[in-house]
This record gives sequence, structure tokens and C-alpha cells, in this order.
Amino acid sequence: GVTQSPTHLIKTRGQQVTLRCSSQSGHNTVSWYQQALGQGPQFIFQYYREEENGRGNFPPRFSGLQFPNDSSELNVNALELDDSALYLCASSLALGQGVTNGYTFGSGTRLTV
Amino acid sequence: KQEVTQIPAALSVPEGENLVLNCSFTDSAIYNLQWFRQDPGKGLTSLLLIQSSQREQTSGRLNASLDKSSGRSTLYIAASQPGDSATYLCAVNSQGSNYQLIWGAGTKLIIKP
Repeated sequence: GVTQSPTHLIKTRGQQVTLRCSSQSGHNTVSWYQQALGQGPQFIFQYYREEENGRGNFPPRFSGLQFPNDSSELNVNALELDDSALYLCASSLALGQGVTNGYTFGSGTRLTV
Repeated sequence: KQEVTQIPAALSVPEGENLVLNCSFTDSAIYNLQWFRQDPGKGLTSLLLIQSSQREQTSGRLNASLDKSSGRSTLYIAASQPGDSATYLCAVNSQGSNYQLIWGAGTKLIIKP
């Protein structure tokens, strides 16, 4: 499956944070979502074969990396209070032309700023 | 622009009842639709994935249907149990969305013992 670390994190406004994700073996895409309390997930960005290939309405202080070993990172600089949320990582196998075999999500990292 | 709506927003039923959750989408040009379950403060668990060429998928007491032409999907839960209490979300992998999932706001389900 998909594993995320840490499970919980407390940071101060203005700090930087790195969240980590290990994708399901065999998957070639990783996506990151932000979920505020009581709301649906919001798409941050997606990586395919180590390159960003889609981005939601998030500022550049949200950045990411995907590594060849099925791991990935979400970095957030200059943390703001509104960044407090559950951050979800999801992986999938892209089959071409936008088609996937479905997404597998991790348990998330709860970030409190 | 694809929009996904889930009705009802909340549902409370006695244990043992069969129930139906609804998901509608505005653009029928989709690759697939996925139903997820989320327990409070937790990550997302995939329940069923329906590809655009399929009409339904079944897993245990769960059955999901897809009517692409009318922009509707339903999740049928048979013989509900208190352990089914959770928020249920549907997400659409829409053509032209570059792998990004478009989410409904979810239905919060409570099964009363």
C-alpha cells in the first residue's frame, strides 16, 4: 500500500515542513491532496515519472519531488495558519491518455500550524 | 469544468437497512469513477472503481453503478452495520483533467445500532 510519515506534525507559522510518502510498488504516479476539516480533498499536484504533470490552485511555496525508488516528498515553505490540514498522498498506475487503474491513498499526515 | 455533487450530505439509518448514496457529475467524459470511505481523522480507503466502459462493480455488501450518459453513480450498501458509519466520497477521473481526481463533498453516514 501507500505509507506516509509522520502521522502528526506541529509547526510554527513561517517554518518549513517536509512530508514523506512511499507509493505502492508498481505505481508510476504520485499525487498530493490537502483536506481541511469537514471538506473534500483538494488537489495540490501530481508527479509522473519524477516530473510534475499537473498542479492545482496552490502557491509555489508548495513543492514536491518524486524519486525513482517509489518515494516522494511534499515541501511547504513559509507555513501559514491555513495550511493546517490532513495531507494525503495517493499513487496509481497511469495507463496512458489520462487513464489510471484507480488511486490508493495513504493514511495521511495531520499538520497543525 | 467537471463538478461532482453528492446527495444527501448526511444520512442516519437503523442497522440492517439497505441504503443508497448518490453521486452526480456534470461532464460525462470520464475515464473512471471511484468510491472511497473515510473514517474521522483518517485517510481514504478505496471501495470500488468503475471504469467508464463498466456499468457496475460489486464487493461484498457494496454495489456501485455508473450511468455515464446521465452523469450518475450510486453506491448501494446492503444490510448496513454500525461499522459502516463513515463518510463516503466519490471521485471522478475526468478526461482533460490530467489525472486529477474531482471530488464530491461526501455523504456522512451513521448507522444506529
